[in-house]
Amino acid sequence: QQPVQSPQAVILREGEDAVINCSSSKALYSVHWYRQKHGEAPVFLMILLKGGEQKGHEKISASFNEKKQQSSLYLTASQLSYSGTYFCGTGFETGGSASKIIFGSGTRLSIRP
Amino acid sequence: NAGVTQTPKFRILKIGQSMTLQCTQDMNHNYMYWYRQDPGMGLKLIYYSVGAGITDKGEVPNGYNVSRSTTEDFPLRLELAAPSQTSVYFCASSYMGLSYNSPLHFGNGTRLTVT
Repeated sequence: QQPVQSPQAVILREGEDAVINCSSSKALYSVHWYRQKHGEAPVFLMILLKGGEQKGHEKISASFNEKKQQSSLYLTASQLSYSGTYFCGTGFETGGSASKIIFGSGTRLSIRP
Repeated sequence: NAGVTQTPKFRILKIGQSMTLQCTQDMNHNYMYWYRQDPGMGLKLIYYSVGAGITDKGEVPNGYNVSRSTTEDFPLRLELAAPSQTSVYFCASSYMGLSYNSPLHFGNGTRLTVT
């Protein structure tokens, strides 16, 4: 059930763009994206619900293709503050209630000046 | 507004000891979750709850127990601690289920070492 994230790690120079992918073998109800700095708790970025949507958050945006069971996170003109590990969390409907959220193994993003 | 509060922040246990990790939230959230995160790894779901009196297993429930007697509290019990349970434990809550734009609010974590 665990979603697969790719790539596992990315190294960028400040100002470059990155794409992080998240795919599932099981039908998705929703996709969450979080960023975690070392030694801290994950911080919410955005949620995408089934119905196929795209969202933006400053220079960070995401898409959700429910037919392909995939989501992608786009970081444009990366800043030093974007460094961290990005996790996608996939939501599954269980027993008629949509409640369980399973996370991928993460993508470590390092930004160099 | 405190959000999600976890106690303790750090704990060292000897093999075979037991303990309870506390988690409380003051946002009146129905949904609560326990995750563990091993060093350099992702978050694994241990148990979750959709409301008081209702709990269910996640990906890695063995060696743990939970209860949800109130909306605010969701304690995680470790019985007979083992070195494999050395990890950072995160509690999280959300207001609504997955059909809504309802993010997870995480606590600051409990770092547990079993030796």
